[in-house]
Order: sequence, then structure tokens, then C-alpha cells
Amino acid sequence: AQSVAQPEDQVNVAEGNPLTVKCTYSVSGNPYLFWYVQYPNRGLQFLLKYITGDNLVKGSYGFEAEFNKSQTSFHLKKPSALVSDSALYFCAVRDQAGTALIFGKGTTLSVSS
Amino acid sequence: GAVVSQHPSRVICKSGTSVKIECRSLDFQATTMFWYRQFPKQSLMLMATSNEGSKATYEQGVEKDKFLINHASLTLSTLTVTSAHPEDSSFYICSAMRLAGGPGELFFGEGSRLTVL
Repeated sequence: AQSVAQPEDQVNVAEGNPLTVKCTYSVSGNPYLFWYVQYPNRGLQFLLKYITGDNLVKGSYGFEAEFNKSQTSFHLKKPSALVSDSALYFCAVRDQAGTALIFGKGTTLSVSS
Repeated sequence: GAVVSQHPSRVICKSGTSVKIECRSLDFQATTMFWYRQFPKQSLMLMATSNEGSKATYEQGVEKDKFLINHASLTLSTLTVTSAHPEDSSFYICSAMRLAGGPGELFFGEGSRLTVL
């Protein structure tokens, strides 16, 4: 069975500092990995995905994530955090095309000015 | 990008009544849609997979007679919460899968906040 772990409930960073939101996954085959962001009472906004190819994936709003197969990780990163990045971030995985995404529990990112 | 619309965005109903939530893919066809439920400050839990023209597949623990799903066309899936109870209050999010342009790209609606009094 597929699963996703986001070990941190909350990440706090100061504006301008780099940020990392951690994600590890477990799937039986090759993973399809995703990051989404959610603002209060809103749906999910797609940030980036890894399907195949380069391990470093660049996405929306300056975010990027690195796929590490040996560590089964897909951490989300941004070189310089903005206050407006404060939101709830979800990592998600599927083990093949055509199936539903399985989500991690989410990590709240708080960026202080 | 592709747009998925959910309606209503917010609904308040009395216990015992039924509520229908619509999920529409506005600019693409979706043979498969997924329904998720999200409790406050928690993750999205997959409720069911909705396939156009066939019965939905429900996840373990989800009552199919309580959460009726109909996927009557390639652009519309509906979730009906029957005989609603206060514990059904939640944020419901749909996701539609576009087959063209990638390995089943998924697009999410804005969610529907259900409050049962």
C-alpha cells in the first residue's frame, strides 16, 4: 500500500531564509510524487510533481523539490521564504497513472517577517 | 490550466436532510473523479473513486448508502450526503483526472464546506 509521511506538523522560518518541508513516501513501484499548497477554506493548488527524469523538480512560486530514491524522500524547498508562503502544504503520492493521490497529513508553514 | 468547479462552496443544512455537491470539469473530460473529505487541520482522506457510467468505488469505512456518488457525464460528478448528521460536517474536495497531456493529471476543485446543524 502507498503511504506518505510528513514528519513535521509545523515549520517556522523567518522571511528571506531558506525553507524545507519534509516528505517521505512508500510505494510498491515507481512513485509519482506531488506537492500541493492549501490556503484557509480553499482547495488545493498544485506546486510541482515528479514523474520521471531529473531528480530536482522546479515548480510554481519559486518552489522546488528533490527526489531521492535511496532515501525515499521528496522534500520541498525554497531558497528565500516569503510571508505569503505561509499555508498548509501537502505531499502526495500515487504508484501508477490513473489512480487517486494519497496525501500526507500536511505541514503548516509559518513565515515570520 | 484545467479548471474544476465545485458547487456549492458552502452549505448549511439541518440534521436529517440531504445535500448534493457538484463537481464539474469545465474545460476537459474526466472519466474519473475522486472525492476527498478533510477535517479541520487534517489531511485529505480519499472517500471514493467515481467512474463515468459505472458505480463508484468506495474506500474502506465509507458508507456508500450515506455518501451517494453519481458520475452521469464526462464532466460532472455529484456527491449526495443523505440523512446528514452533525458529524458529517466537513470540507469535501473533488478531483478530476484529465487523461490527455500526462499520466492522468489531477485537478482539484475549490472544496465545499458542509455544516450540519
